[in-house]
Formats: sequence, structure tokens, C-alpha cells
Amino acid sequence: AQKVTQAQTEISVVEKEDVTLDCVYETRDTTYYLFWYKQPPSGELVFLIRRNSFDEQNEISGRYSWNFQKSTSSFNFTITASQVVDSAVYFCALRPDPGANSKLTFGKGITLSVRP
Amino acid sequence: KAGVTQTPRYLIKTRGQQVTLSCSPISGHRSVSWYQQTPGQGLQFLFEYFSETQRNKGNFPGRFSGRQFSNSRSEMNVSTLELGDSALYLCASSVTGRETQYFGPGTRLLVL
Repeated sequence: AQKVTQAQTEISVVEKEDVTLDCVYETRDTTYYLFWYKQPPSGELVFLIRRNSFDEQNEISGRYSWNFQKSTSSFNFTITASQVVDSAVYFCALRPDPGANSKLTFGKGITLSVRP
Repeated sequence: KAGVTQTPRYLIKTRGQQVTLSCSPISGHRSVSWYQQTPGQGLQFLFEYFSETQRNKGNFPGRFSGRQFSNSRSEMNVSTLELGDSALYLCASSVTGRETQYFGPGTRLLVL
């Protein structure tokens, strides 16, 4: 069974602060994909990043960076110099690979509020 | 490229009625998945269609059904609506189902 845990439910920061969103997952699959999505008040889930289980290289993309550690089953996401527009609900998701199973298992989400 | 579109965006129904929601995937995407989002249960997978066939199904009652057309557009139907069916229904598409899924804006269903 797949499970994604986002222990933080709400985070509030002041603009320009850095913020890290935590994600811990459980899976018996040896290969899988991990995702972060953002959901602004409009409701649409916006894709942010994707990582496959055999690539633990951590990267930075603009203000976003992520830390994938297979040994601790964690896939944390950091926003540097947060902005008010970053206010949204952030979801971590897991999908098995390979095979024809596209089902995403989501965490409960973290509500991020960035105050001016 | 146009994104995933869903219609209608908002819907109000009464208990016992049925409803049909529509999803048009990104051009070239043949896999369409549906998710239900509620405050209590979060985001839950309903089903996935690929090449007009249901390929995967979540744990929802038979009142929830779907189909996919030859142009990859998909519809989901909920019969005999219950109050608990009030939710945001999100559709996502990908090329074959193995790639990143891109989501539409969702349909907000309110059952009274």
C-alpha cells in the first residue's frame, strides 16, 4: 500500500523568509515517482516538480529546491525568499512505477500562508 | 498548448439526482484520470481511462462511473447523488499515464 504523510498542516511565514515543506512516504515498490503540486485558491492543481526513485540528486530551480532522501523516505520541498503569491496548499504525491498504474496517492496537503 | 479543461465549473444538484462532468485533456494526451477532493478525505483517485478503456479504478461505489471517447475526452457520471458527494472533482491528463499528470481547474459539485 502507498501512503504519503505531510505532518505539517499549516505554515505561516513573513515574505522573504525561507520555508520547507515536509513529506514522508511509504511504498513497497522499488521504483516510483514523487511529485509536488500547488493548489491556489482557484482550485487547480499546478505541477511543480517530479522526481524518480533512482535519482537522488537534489536540485534547485529558481526559488524552489527539493531534498530527496530514499534512506528516510522523505521528499522535502523548500521555497527560498517566499512571496505572497506562494500562498497556497501544497501536496506531495506518490505514484508507482513501472506498469500501467497512473494512480497518484496524495498527502493531506500543507496550507502555506505568506504574509507581506 | 491549451491545458486541461473541465465543464461545468460549478454545479448544484439535489439528492437523488445524477450528474455528468466533462473533461477535455491536453492535445495528444490519451490518459485521463479523475480525482475527488473533499475536506475530510483529501484527494482520492476515482478512475483512469486510456484509449477508451478504464484501466484503473479507486475504491468508490458503482454510482461513480466514467467513459472516454475516441478523441480522449472523458466524462464521469454520478448517479443517485448523496450529500457526501459534494466535492471538487479534478481531472488530470498525461500522454500515456506514465508521465506527469496535468490537472484541470476542477468542477465544484454541491449536493443539497
